[in-house]
Amino acid sequence: ETGVTQTPRHLVMGMTNKKSLKCEQHLGHNAMYWYKQSAKKPLELMFVYNFKEQTENNSVPSRFSPECPNSSHLFLHLHTLQPEDSALYLCASSQVTSGRPNNEQFFGPGTRLTVL
Amino acid sequence: GQNIDQPTEMTATEGAIVQINCTYQTSGFNGLFWYQQHAGEAPTFLSYNVLDGLEEKGRFSSFLSRSKGYSYLLLKELQMKDSASYLCAVSDSNYQLIWGAGTKLIIKP
Repeated sequence: ETGVTQTPRHLVMGMTNKKSLKCEQHLGHNAMYWYKQSAKKPLELMFVYNFKEQTENNSVPSRFSPECPNSSHLFLHLHTLQPEDSALYLCASSQVTSGRPNNEQFFGPGTRLTVL
Repeated sequence: GQNIDQPTEMTATEGAIVQINCTYQTSGFNGLFWYQQHAGEAPTFLSYNVLDGLEEKGRFSSFLSRSKGYSYLLLKELQMKDSASYLCAVSDSNYQLIWGAGTKLIIKP
């Protein structure tokens, strides 16, 4: 595998279900991100992990719970979601260094989530 | 608040030139990115501008004016495969990316 991979690609779940999204990056990067992409809306940054430490949590509801066991893997645990949470969830990674914090982000293909 | 504006949709003809504009108001500025996203696929990096002026990369060029809070992406010799959404994003004072909603570009033969 190369780049950033995400599984599953599509997920349909009921509001009472518990599921997890998985992201894996094969680029040796030290930062990983979860974004939410809704139709005709800007990408919304949800969580950021630098060196496995969570550095950003942009007022995301507690029904979304991230986990970063190592610098290559990132999970998003979902429980008791609402229909308005239906969206494309994108994972990204980048290499953050003190001299160049603005390196480009590499995105995975996303998980299309539908909450019934 | 922070805001990125870009047109929702544009249409152009194969072989022509198109300019996609982006204006921004952010708390601090540490550079501006353009990404391309084909339908159902991941966004991919196109360009990064942090200084004023034009950056050229093949058929694509990106321009930045920090004093005007303005950037554009210029696509030349349009091909059908250029049909995609183009996302503008600004790195703010905390190096967090603030994203526009994207411009859907439709290329007609």
